[in-house]
Amino acid sequence: QVNLLQSGAALVKPGASVKLSCKASGYTFTDYYIHWVKQSHGKSLEWIGYINPNSGYTNYNEKFKSKATLTVDKSTNTAYMELSRLTSEDSATYYCTREYPYYFDYWGQGVMVTVSS
Amino acid sequence: DIQMTQSPASLSASLEEIVTITCQASQDIGNYLSWYQQKLGKSPQLLIHSATSLADGVPSRFSGSRSGTQYSLKINRLQVEDTGIYYCLQHYSAPLTFGSGTKLEIK
Repeated sequence: QVNLLQSGAALVKPGASVKLSCKASGYTFTDYYIHWVKQSHGKSLEWIGYINPNSGYTNYNEKFKSKATLTVDKSTNTAYMELSRLTSEDSATYYCTREYPYYFDYWGQGVMVTVSS
Repeated sequence: DIQMTQSPASLSASLEEIVTITCQASQDIGNYLSWYQQKLGKSPQLLIHSATSLADGVPSRFSGSRSGTQYSLKINRLQVEDTGIYYCLQHYSAPLTFGSGTKLEIK
């Protein structure tokens, strides 16, 4: 069965970076794009961008271009998102999700990032 | 960017009632529209894809429809477990955009 397992919650200081992971299992990792989605507390969902695990090609929401960097490690079937220069505005829950063409069929459990000194 | 205007923001309905949630796209997005349910503290879960196709394992009381650039999610015979927040998503062009969400409560 398909599963996306995300890393645990993170507490990070303002100005620092954090790298979130999303380990895929139950399917061929390189066959499906991985997207990342942000959900601020009590708010709607924002699309950050996606990565093609086969080629490494990325496509970012302009809003997150200087904030997020998406990568993959094909040897471990893991997708990563690094968030840099963190501020309180980056405190949120982040989801990875698999794209079956043109919709998201599986989601990770989400990881809460808290930015605080 | 394509705007997805979702309504209503919240909804309270009785068991067995029929409810409808809508998303209005700011431009043509074809059938590149999906619906998700998010329960408290959980990840979103796919309900409907391609505007009208029911996702695997989703009860048949959920249905999606399209009229031009307006998309609707209909829930027949509302059940207690349908409580949650519902989101639409357009997957027509980047940046992908979600609706603002509809919070559904059972009276």
